[in-house]
Amino acid sequence: QSALTQPPSASGSPGQSVTISCTGTSSDIGGYNYVSWYQQHPGKAPKLIIYGVSKRPSGVPDRFSGSKSGNTASLTVSGLQADDEVDYYCSSYAGSNNWVFGTGTKVTVL
Amino acid sequence: QLQLQESGPGLVKASETLSLTCTVSGDSISSSNHYWGWFRQPPGKGLEWIGTIYYRASTYYNPSLKSRVTIPVDTSQNQFSLKLTSVTAADTAVYYCVMAPGSPHSYDYWGQGTLVTVSS
Repeated sequence: QSALTQPPSASGSPGQSVTISCTGTSSDIGGYNYVSWYQQHPGKAPKLIIYGVSKRPSGVPDRFSGSKSGNTASLTVSGLQADDEVDYYCSSYAGSNNWVFGTGTKVTVL
Repeated sequence: QLQLQESGPGLVKASETLSLTCTVSGDSISSSNHYWGWFRQPPGKGLEWIGTIYYRASTYYNPSLKSRVTIPVDTSQNQFSLKLTSVTAADTAVYYCVMAPGSPHSYDYWGQGTLVTVSS
């Protein structure tokens, strides 16, 4: 199995939006609507912010949104804040009771 | 409120077995519709799913680790464990225990993580 491909970094100015891509194949992202996104602060456990491609867990601000087109999923963070400057990971079901993660993206707030 | 706490040796010798325990509080490990599992993250690198157990039903393992991994459950202690055999330096990582309510596709609850270093 191969990891999902994410850009190593992404950036935006405070108040603006940033979009992170997560590219897989028809065997994972393209084949199922089971894409999740996690936010991870340094030294902390990951936090689930998007599941089922575009659903938000209770308590996650609507500034975070997810989508999918073909074999690529995307996470958009709107209204960028200083606290959004952390790492983000995507995840997808890959069939046969197997799950794969993305390579991770560090967001910088300019 | 569900809480997960990992425990176990922080240093393991190469070729030996890594053993970690996750103690669950605020919920029963026997609860239906809960998926319990383990992830890991090598220093400075990304996340990797290790395995998931759906109590009394199914166990799923990462194909790349399947031959070396088991996830036993101890309902009397409300704990589940991770056992990874024949470890190498590549197994050095922060290990997290997790829980997913209702579906194994996304994990809402995470332990704080514990660093395990494999020495040669």
